[in-house]
Amino acid sequence: GAVVSQHPSWVICKSGTSVKIECRSLDFQATTMFWYRQFPKQSLMLMATSNEGSKATYEQGVEKDKFLINHASLTLSTLTVTSAHPEDSSFYICSASPLAGATDTQYFGPGTRLTVL
Amino acid sequence: GENVEQHPSTLSVQEGDSAVIKCTYSDSASNYFPWYKQELGKGPQLIIDIRSNVGEKKDQRIAVTLNKTAKHFSLHITETQPEDSAVYFCAASIGAAGNKLTFGGGTRVLVKP
Repeated sequence: GAVVSQHPSWVICKSGTSVKIECRSLDFQATTMFWYRQFPKQSLMLMATSNEGSKATYEQGVEKDKFLINHASLTLSTLTVTSAHPEDSSFYICSASPLAGATDTQYFGPGTRLTVL
Repeated sequence: GENVEQHPSTLSVQEGDSAVIKCTYSDSASNYFPWYKQELGKGPQLIIDIRSNVGEKKDQRIAVTLNKTAKHFSLHITETQPEDSAVYFCAASIGAAGNKLTFGGGTRVLVKP
Protein backbone atom coordinates (compact mmCIF):
# COMPACT_ATOMS: atom_id res chain seq x y z
CA GLY A 1 0.00 0.00 0.00
CA ALA A 2 0.85 3.74 0.05
CA VAL A 3 1.94 4.00 -3.57
CA VAL A 4 2.69 7.32 -5.20
CA SER A 5 3.23 7.64 -8.92
CA GLN A 6 4.72 10.40 -11.03
CA HIS A 7 4.37 11.10 -14.70
CA PRO A 8 6.42 11.45 -16.74
CA SER A 9 9.45 9.64 -15.33
CA TRP A 10 11.71 11.72 -17.52
CA VAL A 11 11.26 14.64 -19.88
CA ILE A 12 13.49 16.63 -22.19
CA CYS A 13 12.33 20.04 -23.31
CA LYS A 14 13.63 23.12 -25.06
CA SER A 15 14.51 26.27 -23.19
CA GLY A 16 11.51 28.57 -22.82
CA THR A 17 8.85 25.87 -22.87
CA SER A 18 6.69 24.72 -19.97
CA VAL A 19 6.60 21.24 -18.51
CA LYS A 20 3.91 19.67 -16.34
CA ILE A 21 4.64 16.87 -13.88
CA GLU A 22 1.82 14.86 -12.29
CA CYS A 23 1.90 13.27 -8.85
CA ARG A 24 -0.80 10.77 -7.87
CA SER A 25 -1.47 8.83 -4.71
CA LEU A 26 -2.76 5.54 -6.10
CA ASP A 27 -4.20 3.71 -3.11
CA PHE A 28 -4.85 6.43 -0.55
CA GLN A 29 -6.19 9.94 -0.31
CA ALA A 30 -3.64 12.60 0.53
CA THR A 31 -4.31 15.69 2.58
CA THR A 32 -0.98 17.19 1.73
CA MET A 33 1.46 16.74 -1.10
CA PHE A 34 5.00 18.00 -1.20
CA TRP A 35 7.32 18.84 -4.07
CA TYR A 36 11.07 18.42 -3.78
CA ARG A 37 14.02 19.05 -5.99
CA GLN A 38 17.20 17.02 -5.80
CA PHE A 39 20.56 17.75 -7.40
CA PRO A 40 23.10 14.97 -7.97
CA LYS A 41 24.61 13.60 -4.75
CA GLN A 42 22.63 16.04 -2.62
CA SER A 43 19.77 15.81 -0.20
CA LEU A 44 16.16 16.62 -0.98
CA MET A 45 15.23 20.28 -1.08
CA LEU A 46 11.60 21.08 -0.30
CA MET A 47 10.11 23.44 -2.85
CA ALA A 48 6.49 23.70 -1.74
CA THR A 49 3.68 22.15 0.25
CA SER A 50 0.21 21.87 -1.20
CA ASN A 51 -3.17 21.02 0.25
CA GLU A 52 -6.17 20.04 -1.83
CA GLY A 53 -8.20 23.07 -2.82
CA SER A 54 -5.80 25.64 -1.40
CA LYS A 55 -2.85 27.63 -2.66
CA ALA A 56 0.53 26.04 -2.25
CA THR A 57 3.00 27.28 0.33
CA TYR A 58 6.41 27.86 -1.20
CA GLU A 59 9.75 27.65 0.56
CA GLN A 60 11.92 30.71 0.72
CA GLY A 61 13.76 31.30 -2.52
CA VAL A 62 11.39 29.26 -4.68
CA GLU A 63 9.69 31.34 -7.37
CA LYS A 64 5.96 30.67 -7.21
CA ASP A 65 5.38 32.12 -10.68
CA LYS A 66 7.94 29.75 -12.15
CA PHE A 67 6.89 26.60 -10.33
CA LEU A 68 3.11 26.47 -10.49
CA ILE A 69 1.46 23.92 -8.24
CA ASN A 70 -2.12 22.77 -8.52
CA HIS A 71 -3.63 20.32 -6.05
CA ALA A 72 -6.91 19.56 -7.76
CA SER A 73 -8.04 16.53 -5.78
CA LEU A 74 -7.10 14.34 -2.83
CA THR A 75 -5.11 12.11 -5.17
CA LEU A 76 -3.54 14.48 -7.69
CA SER A 77 -1.09 17.35 -7.57
CA THR A 78 0.72 18.88 -10.53
CA LEU A 79 3.90 20.91 -10.80
CA THR A 80 4.35 23.06 -13.89
CA VAL A 81 7.79 24.45 -14.60
CA THR A 82 7.13 27.54 -16.69
CA SER A 83 9.58 29.00 -19.18
CA ALA A 84 12.10 26.34 -18.31
CA HIS A 85 15.82 27.07 -18.56
CA PRO A 86 18.83 24.75 -18.35
CA GLU A 87 19.33 25.62 -14.69
CA ASP A 88 15.89 24.09 -13.98
CA SER A 89 17.25 20.70 -15.02
CA SER A 90 16.96 18.50 -11.98
CA PHE A 91 15.28 15.49 -10.39
CA TYR A 92 11.82 16.48 -9.13
CA ILE A 93 10.17 14.26 -6.54
CA CYS A 94 6.75 14.49 -4.96
CA SER A 95 5.49 12.96 -1.75
CA ALA A 96 2.07 12.56 -0.20
CA SER A 97 0.77 12.27 3.36
CA PRO A 98 -2.35 10.15 3.92
CA LEU A 99 -5.67 11.58 4.98
CA ALA A 100 -6.14 8.84 7.56
CA GLY A 101 -3.85 6.76 9.73
CA ALA A 102 -0.24 7.92 9.93
CA THR A 103 -0.97 11.41 8.64
CA ASP A 104 2.56 12.62 9.40
CA THR A 105 4.16 10.05 7.12
CA GLN A 106 5.35 11.02 3.65
CA TYR A 107 5.37 8.48 0.84
CA PHE A 108 7.49 9.43 -2.13
CA GLY A 109 6.98 9.05 -5.83
CA PRO A 110 9.66 7.65 -8.15
CA GLY A 111 10.77 11.09 -9.34
CA THR A 112 10.85 12.90 -12.67
CA ARG A 113 14.11 13.78 -14.32
CA LEU A 114 13.82 17.06 -16.21
CA THR A 115 16.45 18.05 -18.76
CA VAL A 116 16.16 21.47 -20.35
CA LEU A 117 18.19 21.98 -23.51
CA GLY B 1 13.95 25.98 12.36
CA GLU B 2 14.93 22.35 12.59
CA ASN B 3 18.43 21.27 11.58
CA VAL B 4 19.35 17.62 11.03
CA GLU B 5 22.97 16.48 10.82
CA GLN B 6 23.78 13.01 9.47
CA HIS B 7 27.01 11.02 9.76
CA PRO B 8 28.91 9.51 8.10
CA SER B 9 28.43 10.81 4.58
CA THR B 10 29.82 7.58 3.14
CA LEU B 11 30.05 4.12 4.65
CA SER B 12 31.68 1.05 3.18
CA VAL B 13 31.07 -2.31 4.85
CA GLN B 14 31.77 -5.92 4.08
CA GLU B 15 28.78 -8.09 3.29
CA GLY B 16 27.45 -9.60 6.49
CA ASP B 17 28.76 -6.82 8.73
CA SER B 18 26.59 -4.21 10.43
CA ALA B 19 26.13 -0.61 9.36
CA VAL B 20 25.24 2.27 11.66
CA ILE B 21 24.17 5.75 10.61
CA LYS B 22 23.67 8.53 13.13
CA CYS B 23 21.61 11.69 13.04
CA THR B 24 21.22 14.58 15.42
CA TYR B 25 18.44 17.15 15.41
CA SER B 26 18.08 20.56 16.96
CA ASP B 27 14.36 21.13 17.62
CA SER B 28 13.19 19.49 20.82
CA ALA B 29 9.60 19.68 19.51
CA SER B 30 10.40 17.09 16.81
CA ASN B 31 8.79 13.77 17.55
CA TYR B 32 8.68 11.85 14.29
CA PHE B 33 11.84 10.40 12.74
CA PRO B 34 11.66 8.44 9.48
CA TRP B 35 14.46 6.82 7.53
CA TYR B 36 14.44 6.58 3.75
CA LYS B 37 16.47 4.49 1.33
CA GLN B 38 17.11 5.93 -2.12
CA GLU B 39 18.50 3.87 -4.93
CA LEU B 40 20.09 5.51 -7.94
CA GLY B 41 17.56 7.28 -10.14
CA LYS B 42 14.61 6.44 -7.86
CA GLY B 43 12.53 8.20 -5.26
CA PRO B 44 13.16 7.70 -1.53
CA GLN B 45 11.51 4.65 0.02
CA LEU B 46 10.39 4.71 3.64
CA ILE B 47 12.13 1.82 5.40
CA ILE B 48 11.41 2.48 9.06
CA ASP B 49 10.24 5.29 11.31
CA ILE B 50 10.03 5.97 14.99
CA ARG B 51 7.98 8.27 17.12
CA SER B 52 9.14 9.83 20.35
CA ASN B 53 7.02 7.65 22.59
CA VAL B 54 9.37 4.70 21.95
CA GLY B 55 13.12 4.32 22.22
CA GLU B 56 13.71 1.54 19.73
CA LYS B 57 11.95 -0.12 16.84
CA LYS B 58 12.98 -3.17 14.82
CA ASP B 59 11.93 -4.58 11.48
CA GLN B 60 13.88 -7.70 10.51
CA ARG B 61 17.49 -6.58 9.83
CA ILE B 62 16.75 -2.90 10.39
CA ALA B 63 16.45 -1.11 13.71
CA VAL B 64 16.19 2.51 14.77
CA THR B 65 17.02 3.91 18.18
CA LEU B 66 16.03 7.28 19.54
CA ASN B 67 17.49 9.29 22.40
CA LYS B 68 15.25 12.32 22.90
CA THR B 69 17.34 13.70 25.72
CA ALA B 70 20.45 13.82 23.57
CA LYS B 71 18.44 14.60 20.42
CA HIS B 72 19.91 11.88 18.31
CA PHE B 73 18.66 8.80 16.51
CA SER B 74 20.41 6.02 14.66
CA LEU B 75 19.76 3.44 11.97
CA HIS B 76 21.24 0.00 12.41
CA ILE B 77 21.40 -2.52 9.57
CA THR B 78 22.59 -5.99 10.50
CA GLU B 79 23.85 -8.77 8.22
CA THR B 80 24.25 -6.34 5.35
CA GLN B 81 23.70 -7.54 1.82
CA PRO B 82 24.77 -6.01 -1.53
CA GLU B 83 21.18 -4.90 -2.14
CA ASP B 84 21.46 -2.68 0.93
CA SER B 85 23.82 -0.46 -1.08
CA ALA B 86 22.02 2.88 -1.52
CA VAL B 87 21.82 6.38 -0.08
CA TYR B 88 20.04 6.57 3.27
CA PHE B 89 18.39 9.74 4.57
CA CYS B 90 17.20 10.48 8.06
CA ALA B 91 14.55 13.11 8.68
CA ALA B 92 12.71 14.79 11.51
CA SER B 93 9.41 16.58 11.95
CA ILE B 94 7.02 17.62 14.70
CA GLY B 95 4.76 14.83 13.58
CA ALA B 96 1.62 16.78 12.85
CA ALA B 97 -0.55 15.97 9.83
CA GLY B 98 0.98 17.34 6.67
CA ASN B 99 4.03 18.66 8.45
CA LYS B 100 7.33 19.26 6.69
CA LEU B 101 10.24 16.90 7.02
CA THR B 102 13.77 18.20 7.55
CA PHE B 103 16.29 15.86 5.96
CA GLY B 104 19.84 15.01 6.85
CA GLY B 105 22.50 15.20 4.18
CA GLY B 106 22.41 11.50 3.38
CA THR B 107 24.77 8.55 3.79
CA ARG B 108 26.02 6.61 0.80
CA VAL B 109 26.32 2.99 1.88
CA LEU B 110 28.33 0.51 -0.15
CA VAL B 111 28.18 -3.15 0.81
CA LYS B 112 31.11 -5.04 -0.66
CA PRO B 113 30.50 -8.70 -1.52
